[in-house]
Amino acid sequence: DAKTTQPNSMESNEEEPVHLPCNHSTISGTDYIHWYRQLPSQGPEYVIHGLTSNVNNRMASLAIAEDRKSSTLILHRATLRDAAVYYCILLGNNFNKFYFGSGTKLNVKP
Amino acid sequence: GAVVSQHPSWVICKSGTSVKIECRSLDFQATTMFWYRQFPKQSLMLMATSNEGSKATYEQGVEKDKFLINHASLTLSTLTVTSAHPEDSSFYICSATPGSGSSDTQYFGPGTRLTVL
Repeated sequence: DAKTTQPNSMESNEEEPVHLPCNHSTISGTDYIHWYRQLPSQGPEYVIHGLTSNVNNRMASLAIAEDRKSSTLILHRATLRDAAVYYCILLGNNFNKFYFGSGTKLNVKP
Repeated sequence: GAVVSQHPSWVICKSGTSVKIECRSLDFQATTMFWYRQFPKQSLMLMATSNEGSKATYEQGVEKDKFLINHASLTLSTLTVTSAHPEDSSFYICSATPGSGSSDTQYFGPGTRLTVL
């Protein structure tokens, strides 16, 4: 399975944009890039996913590099409720199996 | 949005007893359900993949006789931890997906915290 690399932790100020990077240099052509986040003592929550083009939804934006070897999750205005562990996961032809990496713990300062 | 529930949300049991955890997709039919385990300050670890009407597929290193999975319908999967021991204490999370492609979203349950005394 293609692996992802994320910084262990990041910090942001409230109401400022946050850019969470993810490297996936071994991504294959059919792998989708999924982002989930997990608040303490809760199950992960879907954030966004994409294949090649940048994606936007009400929660965030996903910017995918042209070579697809990296991607960036963008939270346009961080709130305290966005403090969570963010996981970048590649999903290809492996029966929908998610293999979670260590993720990035985002701390949002008021 | 799609909702997945788990029951119970927490359970405490004595060593040697068995515990059953239910995972339900409330507003969609789940082609596949997954079970994960998460230890404190660690990431989620995939334990097994469950398809309705067929045997579960376990990840390497997961004991299938200890973690029994039954996927009786398209909306219900159960995980039974048999003869639980303190080292089985963990946060167990299920997920479900309505599709089978790599673009399909997985919907996660809220988790079940198991404490074995």
